[in-house]
Amino acid sequence: GENVEQHPSTLSVQEGDSAVIKCTYSDSASNYFPWYKQELGKRPQLIIDIRSNVGEKKDQRIAVTLNKTAKHFSLHITETQPEDSAVYFCAASKSEGAQKLVFGQGTRLTINP
Amino acid sequence: NAGVMQNPRHLVRRRGQEARLRCSPMKGHSHVYWYRQLPEEGLKFMVYLQKENIIDESGMPKERFSAEFPKEGPSILRIQQVVRGDSAAYFCASSLNRGGSYNEQFFGPGTRLTVL
Repeated sequence: GENVEQHPSTLSVQEGDSAVIKCTYSDSASNYFPWYKQELGKRPQLIIDIRSNVGEKKDQRIAVTLNKTAKHFSLHITETQPEDSAVYFCAASKSEGAQKLVFGQGTRLTINP
Repeated sequence: NAGVMQNPRHLVRRRGQEARLRCSPMKGHSHVYWYRQLPEEGLKFMVYLQKENIIDESGMPKERFSAEFPKEGPSILRIQQVVRGDSAAYFCASSLNRGGSYNEQFFGPGTRLTVL
């Protein structure tokens, strides 16, 4: 089955700097890759996603890149702000079948003022 | 438009008791997923259901755990004879049934189960 690895497990950056979180997946049939942000005690919230027919997607300060050949994808947050502090999860899924999400282990991002 | 609803939000049980977790999907959504999140870990898929059918239960422990999504009413995740290792946050997600593309999953607020 699918396996998703996420790095780093913790990341601390200065406010205004950029943050990058990387994930790799094992199943070449996976074709949908969402990123979720989870604040302490809250539900995971989708912040951006990418499908396998594109290599990059951007939404304001957040961007995601996908390399299908290498089976890895990354989340980029620019001009970080204190409210970006949270745990971020990558996930992989297929558009056929059960469409269950396989999550990475999470990255705890801390933005230092 | 109410989102995915789960209750209770917090549940405390003693070892050996039963836990029942409820999930009401978003209006119009007919697919329900259950995920478990252990402390300081990612979410792990447990089961995927459509109305009156279990489609994929590959992530469910073989014993003590069961799930249902009846024709009427919420989806229920049932844990019998709970043990301390069952302490976790249990999240439900729902999605539409549109063939041919990925259907975004919307998560509920979760039920935090504590087993004493």
